[in-house]
Amino acid sequence: GAVVSQHPSWVICKSGTSVKIECRSLDFQATTMFWYRQFPKQSLMLMATSNEGSKATYEQGVEKDKFLINHASLTLSTLTVTSAHPEDSSFYICSAMVWDRASYEQYFGPGTRLTVT
Amino acid sequence: AQTVTQSQPEMSVQEAETVTLSCTYDTSESDYYLFWYKQPPSRQMILVIRQEAYKQQNATENRFSVNFQKAAKSFSLKISDSQLGDAAMYFCACEFGNEKLTFGTGTRLTIIP
Repeated sequence: GAVVSQHPSWVICKSGTSVKIECRSLDFQATTMFWYRQFPKQSLMLMATSNEGSKATYEQGVEKDKFLINHASLTLSTLTVTSAHPEDSSFYICSAMVWDRASYEQYFGPGTRLTVT
Repeated sequence: AQTVTQSQPEMSVQEAETVTLSCTYDTSESDYYLFWYKQPPSRQMILVIRQEAYKQQNATENRFSVNFQKAAKSFSLKISDSQLGDAAMYFCACEFGNEKLTFGTGTRLTIIP
């Protein structure tokens, strides 16, 4: 089946630094990937839609200059949290979309736990 | 607005028994996709079952089945012969034609041995 990986699985960084999270589709190509944020005991909140070869589309309320998304190839999207602050600490999940006229599905990565100290 | 509602924050069931998790949604679209995802403590999202809105037949995957009532905009998940490994957060999600998933708030399922 379709596998999506994320790297790193967890990261600790100091306030003011930037951290990059990678999302890869391992055995399929994904023109569209999504980035979610999940706070403890809450649901997934869509942050942005990442399209290969074009600018990401951000959801309302998400700072695009803080959460930089680059979809450089059909198998890789990256999320960079710039000038991180403790309130950016969260669990970040990516997914890759597979869609045709008959079927739609998102395959999820295992997530990245970010802790900003 | 397109919304997904899970009204049961927590549910518990005796091992080997059956439990039903509720999900309702609101949309004006006629063609969409519905999903139930399981999120165990590892936090990896796992697809449990999917339903295409254009299909009248309820989806079934082994011990998991859905009761899809399109007119009522209801999409419940039934878990039969509950097992300890079924303990997790369950999220109902819908794709309303914009390629994005809208998630419910989740139901935490506990299995009582």
